[in-house]
Amino acid sequence: SAVISQKPSRDICQRGTSLTIQCQVDSQVTMMFWYRQQPGQSLTLIATANQGSEATYESGFVIDKFPISRPNLTFSTLTVSNMSPEDSSIYLCSVAQGRGYYEQYFGPGTRLTVT
Amino acid sequence: AQSVTQLDSQVPVFEEAPVELRCNYSSSVSVYLFWYVQYPNQGLQLLLKYLSGSTLVESINGFEAEFNKSQTSFHLRKPSVHISDTAEYFCAVTLRPGGTSYGKLTFGQGTILTVHP
Repeated sequence: SAVISQKPSRDICQRGTSLTIQCQVDSQVTMMFWYRQQPGQSLTLIATANQGSEATYESGFVIDKFPISRPNLTFSTLTVSNMSPEDSSIYLCSVAQGRGYYEQYFGPGTRLTVT
Repeated sequence: AQSVTQLDSQVPVFEEAPVELRCNYSSSVSVYLFWYVQYPNQGLQLLLKYLSGSTLVESINGFEAEFNKSQTSFHLRKPSVHISDTAEYFCAVTLRPGGTSYGKLTFGQGTILTVHP
């Protein structure tokens, strides 16, 4: 399976600022995903980021709040914009591999606290 | 749209006891099923998957899960747990190829397994 790293691993940010999270994969992958895990809750898909196309956002998530870049097949960024305390979560990227691209492997996550 | 329900939010057990973590799903079309494990302060790891074929799937560390189509369940079991199995376990589904939601994982709420000595 792919080895996935994320930067930063954690951060504490002030309300109203923005944070860009990086996701680096050690091999080329077509399908990447960004998830949010709010405290004590399960994972929720934010968007699908496939190289060569615009990110596709899930209901409740918008590009202005969570802009995503996917410049190549090994890298993606997620920006959390104009942050509020409600954005405090763990943000995870994942990649889809395997025949049919149905197996997803996750990065270690970025723990964000907004004060 | 598909959904996943994990019936137990927390499961405490003693070491060497058997355990079952329950997962039910709802979908109008065929799905692939997964169990992920999240150890304390770590990311998610794929534990096992059901794609097709034998309805009983096994992991390398002794867990197994059985796909039951009639009951729309994918329960996770281990006959004898260890302290190191303490973690949060997530059941997840994705639609089989061909749907517009292909590749997207829908997760259950998670079950915290705590193994006591």
